[in-house]
Amino acid sequence: GAVVSQHPSWVICKSGTSVKIECRSLDFQATTMFWYRQFPKQSLMLMATSNEGSKATYEQGVEKDKFLINHASLTLSTLTVTSAHPEDSSFYICSARERGSHNSPLHFGNGTRLTVT
Amino acid sequence: GEDVEQSLFLSVREGDSSVINCTYTDSSSTYLYWYKQEPGAGLQLLTYIFSNMDMKQDQRLTVLLNKKDKHLSLRIADTQTGDSAIYFCAENPPDTGRRALTFGSGTRLQVQP
Repeated sequence: GAVVSQHPSWVICKSGTSVKIECRSLDFQATTMFWYRQFPKQSLMLMATSNEGSKATYEQGVEKDKFLINHASLTLSTLTVTSAHPEDSSFYICSARERGSHNSPLHFGNGTRLTVT
Repeated sequence: GEDVEQSLFLSVREGDSSVINCTYTDSSSTYLYWYKQEPGAGLQLLTYIFSNMDMKQDQRLTVLLNKKDKHLSLRIADTQTGDSAIYFCAENPPDTGRRALTFGSGTRLQVQP
């Protein structure tokens, strides 16, 4: 089945530093990947849609200069949290849909728990 | 997910059936999904149903869809302690694969031994 690999699983960083999270589709190509953020005991909040070869589309209220998204290939999207602050601590989850299958389910990575000290 | 609503918590005894309910608002949704999230993990796709179906069964899982009422349910037969998790329903906006799923708030299922 379709597998999405997300790395790292968890990261602790100091305030002011930047953290990069990778999302890879291992056995399929993904034109579009989605980045979600999840606060404790809450649902998933869509942050942005990552489009291969073009700029990401950000949801309202999400700072594009803070959460940099790069979708360099059909199998890799990265989310960089720049100048991280403690309020950026959260669980970040990426997902992808197989290229060309508009109605297929999203496949999710295992998430990255970011803690900013 | 303001457009998708779920009850927050369900507790059942091991061996009983669990029924998790969900209501959605976008009548044009083509597919509806159930995902499972265990603590500290991502989302695992459990099952999904096409909007022109009323029911889908997959081993212990039964999905019922009432399109008129925009109501979706997930029944887990013979619930086990390993089924304890958060269950999210999600709807897929139609038309384009570039759209993300809209998730409900999640239902925390607690299975008592």
